[in-house]
Amino acid sequence: DIQMTQSPSSLSASVGDRVTITCRASQSISSYLNWYQQKPGKAPKLLIYAASSLQSGVPSRFSGSGSGTDFTLTISSLQPEDFATYYCQQSYSTPPTFGPGTKVDIK
Amino acid sequence: QLQLQESGPGLVKPSETLSLTCTVSGGSISSSSYYWGWIRQPPGKGLEWIGSIYYSGSTYYNPSLKSRVTISVDTSKNQFSLKLSSVTAADTAVYYCAMPRVVVHAFDIWGQGTMVTVSS
Repeated sequence: DIQMTQSPSSLSASVGDRVTITCRASQSISSYLNWYQQKPGKAPKLLIYAASSLQSGVPSRFSGSGSGTDFTLTISSLQPEDFATYYCQQSYSTPPTFGPGTKVDIK
Repeated sequence: QLQLQESGPGLVKPSETLSLTCTVSGGSISSSSYYWGWIRQPPGKGLEWIGSIYYSGSTYYNPSLKSRVTISVDTSKNQFSLKLSSVTAADTAVYYCAMPRVVVHAFDIWGQGTMVTVSS
């Protein structure tokens, strides 16, 4: 299985901050990397697929980049509704695997 | 608009079989455009893909669970189901059904999730 790691595991930020989350795969996954947002008690929501493609309906302040083994999710200006846990996931090979998550909370 | 809804017992005894159903609305489960999956999340932990089933009936399971998992489709009811045998407390989790519409394994449609507790 491909192992996914994320950093940091948690961060505190203020509304309006630029936030960057990093995801690393244990082997090259080309651009087969997706990002999800999950709020407490809710199902995950797909934000970014194929490393940099914005899912329909997702605000443009979210962006993704990277290829190979290293990827980033950037929130250009953090909004109150963005406080949540973010997961990366590789879809390069079966089984698809998720990172451990990055919790973004209010500073 | 496609929607998914999980259903099934919230409490299962150790060593028994967990059985869940996902009802699809707003589209046909028989469509060749789709495939369907199950993902779980233990309390306070991360996400784990359990397996998926394609419109053709082909199934793919997580190797870590493969010996205990069966996913099947009931086209007459527009449902797909999950069976997980010989459960233990480690199988306690929120179970989600989900599907990707654009990219393989990029799940953009999710059910609300159902909590299953394994306890005697």
